[in-house]
Amino acid sequence: QKEVEQDPGPLSVPEGAIVSLNCTYSNSAFQYFMWYRQYSRKGPELLMYTYSSGNKEDGRFTAQVDKSSKYISLFIRDSQPSDSATYLCAMRAYNNNDMRFGAGTRLTVKP
Amino acid sequence: DTAVSQTPKYLVTQMGNDKSIKCEQNLGHDTMYWYKQDSKKFLKIMFSYNNKELIINETVPNRFSPKSPDKAHLNLHINSLELGDSAVYFCASSHPRVTEAFFGQGTRLTVV
Repeated sequence: QKEVEQDPGPLSVPEGAIVSLNCTYSNSAFQYFMWYRQYSRKGPELLMYTYSSGNKEDGRFTAQVDKSSKYISLFIRDSQPSDSATYLCAMRAYNNNDMRFGAGTRLTVKP
Repeated sequence: DTAVSQTPKYLVTQMGNDKSIKCEQNLGHDTMYWYKQDSKKFLKIMFSYNNKELIINETVPNRFSPKSPDKAHLNLHINSLELGDSAVYFCASSHPRVTEAFFGQGTRLTVV
């Protein structure tokens, strides 16, 4: 079993839809939870991060962490074609530089 | 200004060759990384350097050797290249124990 599990998709939605992306993990030491967005032939860039459990909202994006279930989510409201990319979850333990990534979910938002 | 830059962007080479990929960051970060991304987009850490010292060395073949001449540079040298080494290699940097890692554009290595 991988430390971080993420459904690779692909996921295709119409413009304006609400998108839900999810990851599960097995290492209870993980404290920092991140979502990276990667456009084709580019490097990943940080979209959002959350420390420990709870929700965080930034514009159309909401990140949720449920440590009891070892489950994290990213919601995208009013999705746009420009949101089409691969979304990677990542996590690491406190005081540890070792960041573990999920496989990435490829999202396409159709006009 | 490019924060994390890698060269070359594309590299096509024959099996058995030795090649190097260079990485430089101008963000003043102490920690630099090498990641490998396979054809299925899975991003896996290979090495991490903190202030020129190796702190993570995942189980990668010893044909891969990172070199950090100073804390702004982390190069990756690969000996005796194999077909399975074909992937995109990303360099990244961060402050120690800070969440955000900044990634370079990647080096697409193809071994033929």
